[in-house]
Amino acid sequence: EVQLVESGGGLVQPGGSLRLSCAASGFTFSSYWMSWVRQAPGKGLEWVANIKQDGSEKYYVDSVKGRFTISRDNAKNSLYLQMNSLRAEDTAVYYCAREMDYGGNSDWFDPWGQGTLVTVSS
Amino acid sequence: EIVLTQSPATLSLSPGERATLSCRASQSVSSYLAWYQQKPGQAPRLLIYDASNRATGIPARFSGSGSGTDFTLTISSLEPEDFAVYYCQQRSNWQTFGQGTKLEIK
Repeated sequence: EVQLVESGGGLVQPGGSLRLSCAASGFTFSSYWMSWVRQAPGKGLEWVANIKQDGSEKYYVDSVKGRFTISRDNAKNSLYLQMNSLRAEDTAVYYCAREMDYGGNSDWFDPWGQGTLVTVSS
Repeated sequence: EIVLTQSPATLSLSPGERATLSCRASQSVSSYLAWYQQKPGQAPRLLIYDASNRATGIPARFSGSGSGTDFTLTISSLEPEDFAVYYCQQRSNWQTFGQGTKLEIK
């Protein structure tokens, strides 16, 4: 069974740091782009960052550039998101997602993990 | 940035009825569009990719159509488990999500 399990969320003060992890199982992790997507409480979905199979390409939404770093360890089947200089507006559930190639026009997020809540508050 | 506008914001229907959800893009996204379903307390699930293709394991009552700027997700006959929030997503130019349509029981 394909599974993604996030961890590392919690309460952090503004300006603080947090590192999220996503453990993958049931598929060849090193063969897929991976993404982080977040959802503020009661709000919609926002893509945050993604990373190529070998880690050589990384992309970020403008609002987190310079503050967040995505990385992966293919030997450990794990995806990470290092979050620094956290702001109140970063409060959200953070999901990791596999970018699945269905042989069509693009890759799509399938599946998603269950998410981990990050709360930035003093 | 391509903006996706979903309508209606809330749709109230009864089980067995047909649901039609709309997603409009601020500029053409060709067929680089997907639909996701999210139930309370759960992660989103991919339903439709490339505008009209069902993802693995998705029931045939779900169908997608459209290209360019106007897209539709249709649920032919609502089951109790279909009441949820639905999001569209484009990957034509970076990636953005719509704000969601809440499908609620009437």
